[in-house]
Amino acid sequence: SQTIHQWPATLVQPVGSPLSLECTVEGTSNPNLYWYRQAAGRGLQLLFYSVGIGQISSEVPQNLSASRPQDRQFILSSKKLLLSDSGFYLCAWKVDTYVADTQYFGPGTRLTVL
Amino acid sequence: GQSLEQPSEVTAVEGAIVQINCTYQTSGFYGLSWYQQHDGGAPTFLSYNALDGLEETGRFSSFLSRSDSYGYLLLQELQMKDSASYFCAVRDGHTGRRALTFGSGTRLQVQP
Repeated sequence: SQTIHQWPATLVQPVGSPLSLECTVEGTSNPNLYWYRQAAGRGLQLLFYSVGIGQISSEVPQNLSASRPQDRQFILSSKKLLLSDSGFYLCAWKVDTYVADTQYFGPGTRLTVL
Repeated sequence: GQSLEQPSEVTAVEGAIVQINCTYQTSGFYGLSWYQQHDGGAPTFLSYNALDGLEETGRFSSFLSRSDSYGYLLLQELQMKDSASYFCAVRDGHTGRRALTFGSGTRLQVQP
């Protein structure tokens, strides 16, 4: 069966500090991978998606970046965090087919920037 | 681009039936999905409609009318554990059918 991991679960960082969030998927090959951010009480905002190693598409220009160094590893980074980067970061995967829209989400990382 | 509208909050009592509506505007339509998210948790997939009509999965059903750009999620025999946020989502035509655009979510409060 497939499993998706995210870490850390919770993070408190000062403004201006760097960020690295990691997501790994087990039990599937060549998944589409996604990073979403969710502000408190709001919907999910797509940040990045990837259809393969080294292939990253950015949806919202900001101070965040993403990388996919391995097939089942997706990393979200920042060189200098802003207060507005606080939120719930969710990684998700999906089999790359046109059938249905089932995305499977990881447990998320709750980031607070102070 | 894509946009979805759903009510921000719905309240119902245990054992009742509740309907959560979703209207959407998309540049290309490939299907409407529904996700459930409990407080502090990750969204989980509930249902998907690509064609008009009703899809039933246990106590949950989802309906789609493509001509009206409208869908709804129907929850029957409500239980306290159904208290959660519910999101409708459509494929993002801009990203070539590979990502979803989510609504802002409907918070369902089930009361005893």
